[in-house]
Amino acid sequence: GDSVTQMEGPVTLSEEAFLTINCTYTATGYPSLFWYVQYPGEGLQLLLKATKADDKGSNKGFEATYRKETTSFHLEKGSVQVSDSAVYFCALSEGRDDKIIFGKGTRLHILP
Amino acid sequence: DVKVTQSSRYLVKRTGEKVFLECVQDMDHENMFWYRQDPGLGLRLIYFSYDVKMKEKGDIPEGYSVSREKKERFSLILESASTNQTSMYLCASSVLGQPNTGELFFGEGSRLTVL
Repeated sequence: GDSVTQMEGPVTLSEEAFLTINCTYTATGYPSLFWYVQYPGEGLQLLLKATKADDKGSNKGFEATYRKETTSFHLEKGSVQVSDSAVYFCALSEGRDDKIIFGKGTRLHILP
Repeated sequence: DVKVTQSSRYLVKRTGEKVFLECVQDMDHENMFWYRQDPGLGLRLIYFSYDVKMKEKGDIPEGYSVSREKKERFSLILESASTNQTSMYLCASSVLGQPNTGELFFGEGSRLTVL
């Protein structure tokens, strides 16, 4: 079945460092891909998405490019801030039944 | 401001008790979902619903049931709580028929401890 694999955390970086969180997926069709973020004490919220190959999603300085050839959707940010500390979830939807499949999440700590 | 509201942020129950977790959304969404979130396991889908009085099993429905009597409300029921149901429970909603938008709207979660 469909699945999402993302790098395990926690990831600890200093402020202004470059961030990459790896995400790969397995799907039978042509899924849409997403990154969700969960700030401390809150529910998840959509960070960015891409619906077809080579699309780039971006928001709040974060970017991810849908790479069909490598079945990947890695999250990147050029200069992280303390306020980016959160748990990040990669996810996919094939659209058959409106369900979204989530990865296990990566906890990010940014040190001042 | 659109919202998904879960009735209790923190609950402590005893083994064997019946537990109700309530979720209300004000966006007129057709789809509603219940997930549980556990460290190292991420989010796992328990049940979802496309419409009033309709429900579908997710990946881990055992030990749970749901009720959707009104469009805006989706309840998760633990008939006889057990310690392995100690977890964070997340409710979410989305628009029906727009599967590729991917935008689930989540509540803040209900942290349940079963003693």
